[in-house]
Amino acid sequence: AQSVTQPDIHITVSEGASLELRCNYSYGATPYLFWYVQSPGQGLQLLLKYFSGDTLVQGIKGFEAEFKRSQSSFNLRKPSVHWSDAAEYFCAVVGSILTGGGNKLTFGTGTQLKVEL
Amino acid sequence: ETGVTQTPRHLVMGMTNKKSLKCEQHLGHNAMYWYKQSAKKPLELMFVYSLEERVENNSVPSRFSPECPNSSHLFLHLHTLQPEDSALYLCASSQGPGWETQYFGPGTRLLVL
Repeated sequence: AQSVTQPDIHITVSEGASLELRCNYSYGATPYLFWYVQSPGQGLQLLLKYFSGDTLVQGIKGFEAEFKRSQSSFNLRKPSVHWSDAAEYFCAVVGSILTGGGNKLTFGTGTQLKVEL
Repeated sequence: ETGVTQTPRHLVMGMTNKKSLKCEQHLGHNAMYWYKQSAKKPLELMFVYSLEERVENNSVPSRFSPECPNSSHLFLHLHTLQPEDSALYLCASSQGPGWETQYFGPGTRLLVL
């Protein structure tokens, strides 16, 4: 079965500093990978996704992520963090298609980002 | 209204109550999902519906009963819940039952007393 590990539970960065959030996955085949962001009291918003092709993917709000098959990683990066980026970030992988359909997202436990002004 | 909406946003109920959560998607999608988000735990997939047919029941207790009357609406009926069922319940939808991206609603924060 697929799994996702986000090793950092909390990260604090200063506004304007660069950011990298780590994500490692375990999946037997080529994975479909996602990063979502959740602000307090809100649902999950898709930041970016990787299905195939270029291993560096661009997302919304200035985020990007790089798929590295050799390291089973899909780390999220942003060159300059803004105070409004403070939120919880979730990495997810799509597992095998279920019998009869439906795609099964497996999420990591999330990384809480705090931005210091 | 656009996207995925959920009502109510907050719900407090006793263990003997019966309540329902509602989800509506305005994206023309054919697949809908219920997830449970508890503190310090990964999101847990509860149910998947594709074209109004349930395709996944992820070992969820029978006190949770989903209903999908059409491709735009999804309900989660709750009865005789336990305090450990307190969580954020998230609804999502996707274009189809394959690899498509899932779009999430804002969630219903449930507290069981």
